[in-house]
Amino acid sequence: GAVVSQHPSRVICKSGTSVKIECRSLDFQATTMFWYRQFPKQSLMLMATSNEGSKATYEQGVEKDKFLINHASLTLSTLTVTSAHPEDSSFYICSALKGGVSYEQYFGPGTRLTVT
Amino acid sequence: AQSVAQPEDQVNVAEGNPLTVKCTYSVSGNPYLFWYVQYPNRGLQFLLKYITGDNLVKGSYGFEAEFNKSQTSFHLKKPSALVSDSALYFCADGGGYNKLIFGAGTRLAVHP
Repeated sequence: GAVVSQHPSRVICKSGTSVKIECRSLDFQATTMFWYRQFPKQSLMLMATSNEGSKATYEQGVEKDKFLINHASLTLSTLTVTSAHPEDSSFYICSALKGGVSYEQYFGPGTRLTVT
Repeated sequence: AQSVAQPEDQVNVAEGNPLTVKCTYSVSGNPYLFWYVQYPNRGLQFLLKYITGDNLVKGSYGFEAEFNKSQTSFHLKKPSALVSDSALYFCADGGGYNKLIFGAGTRLAVHP
């Protein structure tokens, strides 16, 4: 199998605080993971590519200082939303590449972030 | 630049009837095409992919898709729709640096 988990599934935080979302590949190692953002009734927008042991590559328009990504091991990538604002409220989804083989991305169940 | 288009925001079909969800692509080089399904407040589930080989690809839950190079299309099909197929469907191209470029999504509504 190829299972990817995310934690938490839902989180509510106050404006100005930071929140960390974890993405784990449970039964395989993933040198590359991806973070997406999805607005209601819209498609997924790629935010960044997370590579184990190196800096993440951010897509144009995504603030790297606001969305901190750490990929410290082959099974874990984290996304930290710093100084959150209500406009950061969204559904965040991660995916992981299995075994380094191109095009085999497995998606996590997503994290619903609400900033009040 | 590569792009994927899903021309229909929503598709309505009666249970038991065949369904088609359309996708066209515009990529340089060979396309690597995928279909994913998303249920409410859930991540994406892989349905099928075309990388190379037979143009007709069979996937999960009875879905299939046909790669048509001349029409640059990769439409998703199922011979007999179920109410439980109602969900959001995404077509994607994965041709560049393992990144997936998604279409806008098509909401499929299957009516009893």
